[in-house]
Amino acid sequence: QVQLQESGPGLVKASETLSLTCTVSGASISPFYWSWIRQPPGKGLEWIGYIYNTGSTNYNPSLKSRVTMSVDTPKNQFSLKLDSVTAADTAVYYCARLGSAMVTSGISSYYYYYMDVWGKGTTVTVSS
Amino acid sequence: SSELTQDPTVSVASGQTVSITCQGDSLRSSYASWYQQKPGQAPVLVIYGKNKRPSGIPDRFSGSSSGNTASLTITGAQAEDEADYYCNSRDTSGAHVVFGGGTKLTVL
Repeated sequence: QVQLQESGPGLVKASETLSLTCTVSGASISPFYWSWIRQPPGKGLEWIGYIYNTGSTNYNPSLKSRVTMSVDTPKNQFSLKLDSVTAADTAVYYCARLGSAMVTSGISSYYYYYMDVWGKGTTVTVSS
Repeated sequence: SSELTQDPTVSVASGQTVSITCQGDSLRSSYASWYQQKPGQAPVLVIYGKNKRPSGIPDRFSGSSSGNTASLTITGAQAEDEADYYCNSRDTSGAHVVFGGGTKLTVL
């Protein structure tokens, strides 16, 4: 059974860097995509980005200038760094395994993403 | 605002059927995936692809799609189905992942 566990500081000062790690157990980090998602208090889910086990990344355009993701294959971990945080970055941060596929129906092709395994989430508060 | 639009609230009487919708231009060439989130818990995948259910998800959950609208249908809603539901798919550029704003389902 695949399990994900987020870890990192629960309190970060404004203008500093938020750093989180997700440890994968029960499966190899290869050859999957791994994603970070966040949820501000009382609000909806926001995709932050994803990383492949090779290290290739794809970030949310609204966060791209501040986000860096990395993967440590021997440790079966992947990480998130978010620079220059503000109070708006206060949220529950989740890591998740990301799947993607394409289905062909007639002359049409349909793509989809899905996140089938999630960590329990970790709350990060940005203090002034 | 999100590229995927969901009704903020939906209600259903216990035992009845309810559909939660997700609208967006990217859904013309993408399937939506659906997640259930209960208070204080992480989201759980309930539907993905063309109406696929992960192991352990009851068969009263189903998905469908038409044009720019994806739907999650719960046939015979139960009290334990009361939760927030989110759709996700590609954005209109096809390059990124997006979530809908979420729908709070109340089972009366």
